[in-house]
Amino acid sequence: DADVTQTPRNRITKTGKRIMLECSQTKGHDRMYWYRQDPGLGLRLIYYSFDVKDINKGEISDGYSVSRQAQAKFSLSLESAIPNQTALYFCATSDTGPGEQFFGPGTRLTVL
Amino acid sequence: GQNIDQPTEMTATEGAIVQINCTYQTSGFNGLFWYQQHAGEAPTFLSYNVLDGLEEKGRFSSFLSRSKGYSYLLLKELQMKDSASYLCAVPTSGNTGKLIFGQGTTLQVKP
Repeated sequence: DADVTQTPRNRITKTGKRIMLECSQTKGHDRMYWYRQDPGLGLRLIYYSFDVKDINKGEISDGYSVSRQAQAKFSLSLESAIPNQTALYFCATSDTGPGEQFFGPGTRLTVL
Repeated sequence: GQNIDQPTEMTATEGAIVQINCTYQTSGFNGLFWYQQHAGEAPTFLSYNVLDGLEEKGRFSSFLSRSKGYSYLLLKELQMKDSASYLCAVPTSGNTGKLIFGQGTTLQVKP
């Protein structure tokens, strides 16, 4: 079984709709991250969390919110989706310290 | 601030050797990561360098020079399956676990 899972894997939605992307991990890591990836722009950090009570904005948090429901679960919400939020979204986890991050399989989101 | 530069695209021939360069600027140094990412898939860890020098792992090697703010990934005996993007990343200063990624280098391996 995969250590980091994301649901849904693909989603098409309309402008103005609320949408939630979910991430679960079985690695036992405290740290979790949400990134988006756009062609030519690399991975950009949206939000990150060090534990259930510690959530921080990344470089591009506007238009997004997150919830850390448990150590193993970290959800990303788009309150009112817009077309320029069309992207590939990745969840990742890491142990403490400047260590390797483990990525989920990604969610391809299209906002029409 | 922190900044990472990599070439956008590279092309190489099956069986050959290719070197992918990465230069970085960071206020504090906590190592440098290389990830491989096939199109539409998740990035997967390749290497982590924290000390100067070359580290070899099979066909892949990674080099770091902290004084020059420079790293490279060396891929030997290229195979078609090595066609992918290669991402260079450095941790941000402090013990945050956050990574700053370069835009990635897309490598195309041709027969």
